[in-house]
Amino acid sequence: KNQVEQSPQSLIILEGKNCTLQCNYTVSPFSNLRWYKQDTGRGPVSLTIMTFSENTKSNGRYTATLDADTKQSSLHITASQLSDSASYICVVSAGSKRTYKYIFGTGTRLKVLA
Amino acid sequence: DGGITQSPKYLFRKEGQNVTLSCEQNLNHDAMYWYRQDPGQGLRLIYYSQIVNDFQKGDIAEGYSVSREKKESFPLTVTSAQKNPTAFYLCASSRQGFGNTIYFGEGSWLTVV
Repeated sequence: KNQVEQSPQSLIILEGKNCTLQCNYTVSPFSNLRWYKQDTGRGPVSLTIMTFSENTKSNGRYTATLDADTKQSSLHITASQLSDSASYICVVSAGSKRTYKYIFGTGTRLKVLA
Repeated sequence: DGGITQSPKYLFRKEGQNVTLSCEQNLNHDAMYWYRQDPGQGLRLIYYSQIVNDFQKGDIAEGYSVSREKKESFPLTVTSAQKNPTAFYLCASSRQGFGNTIYFGEGSWLTVV
């Protein structure tokens, strides 16, 4: 069964601190993995995309890693800001050119405190 | 500005009523999607369309209907057959093809009163 699991479910950190969010997947055949940021009551926005051959990719203070062997990805947030408070969703693309689907994790809810 | 516009942002439905959520995109995307989001759950696919005049059921299509008469538009009707419609609904679009980035609208909150 294709599944994407994220941990922790929720996280509270102080402003300026770093944090790492985890995503484990059992999806086949794997195409790519994306991290989205979703502010409360708004639509998700793509942060980064990881393909099979990529290990690390950065987008400002966000750094995503991918280990295709262990089927794990992480999103590291450096020097957190209050505006980082949101849900972070891991999405894996699976399938082939003819039939494919996007499989969503349940998200990690991050709260950054002043 | 290019993007996906959903309306209304907030909608209240009485028991037994059908309601329609609007979704318009000007990104020239072929594929469009409707997702439902409930607290503590991942997004679940309701319907998707890869081309005009064609659409497919997703994982939770019962109680919903869609149409795709224009490339830019993909309205979702929540019928009275949907027994638990209170949720956050997200419309999305992407270029045609496997693994392309999905772009989301701002969402619509539907509440049954």
